[in-house]
Amino acid sequence: SQKIEQNSEALNIQEGKTATLTCNYTNYSPAYLQWYRQDPGRGPVFLLLIRENEKEKRKERLKVTFDTTLKQSLFHITASQPADSATYLCALDPDSGGYQKVTFGTGTKLQVIP
Amino acid sequence: NAGVTQTPKFQVLKTGQSMTLQCAQDMNHEYMSWYRQDPGMGLRLIHYSVGAGITDQGEVPNGYNVSRSTTEDFPLRLLSAAPSQTSVYFCASSTSQGYTEAFFGQGTRLTVV
Repeated sequence: SQKIEQNSEALNIQEGKTATLTCNYTNYSPAYLQWYRQDPGRGPVFLLLIRENEKEKRKERLKVTFDTTLKQSLFHITASQPADSATYLCALDPDSGGYQKVTFGTGTKLQVIP
Repeated sequence: NAGVTQTPKFQVLKTGQSMTLQCAQDMNHEYMSWYRQDPGMGLRLIHYSVGAGITDQGEVPNGYNVSRSTTEDFPLRLLSAAPSQTSVYFCASSTSQGYTEAFFGQGTRLTVV
């Protein structure tokens, strides 16, 4: 069956270090993958989208990689700050069309320690 | 621009009661969706709409109804609330089908007792 896996354990990291979050998937052939940030009591907020033919995407301190052979995406936050503390969700589209089919992972909670 | 607005923010219902969760967006988006978020389960799609007058079921539609009479509004109706519907509900909208970001509302925390 189709499955998206994000590390359910919280990730604690020291301020200034690079945080790396993982999104693994099985039995999907996604056309693209998205990353969202969710703060407690709030809705998810879009961060980055990477397509299947892109290896890497950057936006300011954020970097996303997408390896369709390994079926994995890595989300990096460089020079992490306490304000980066949140839950990060990955989402992917199992088909090549149809937003309504987007599937979300359960998220990884990141805690940046000052 | 308010984005996606959901009301109410919190609600407590008794088993068997019905209610409507409201969702409105002011971005003229064609695509709107309802998700529920439960611990350890991630966001699960309940119903979605690709335009006014067009709706379809998602992954977990049972016990919920939707309609889309205007581009702006996409209400979610709970027909007869059950404790299993205790969850946080999110409405989202986007400009097109796939390859675009979704804009989410603040969520409605619903408790059914």
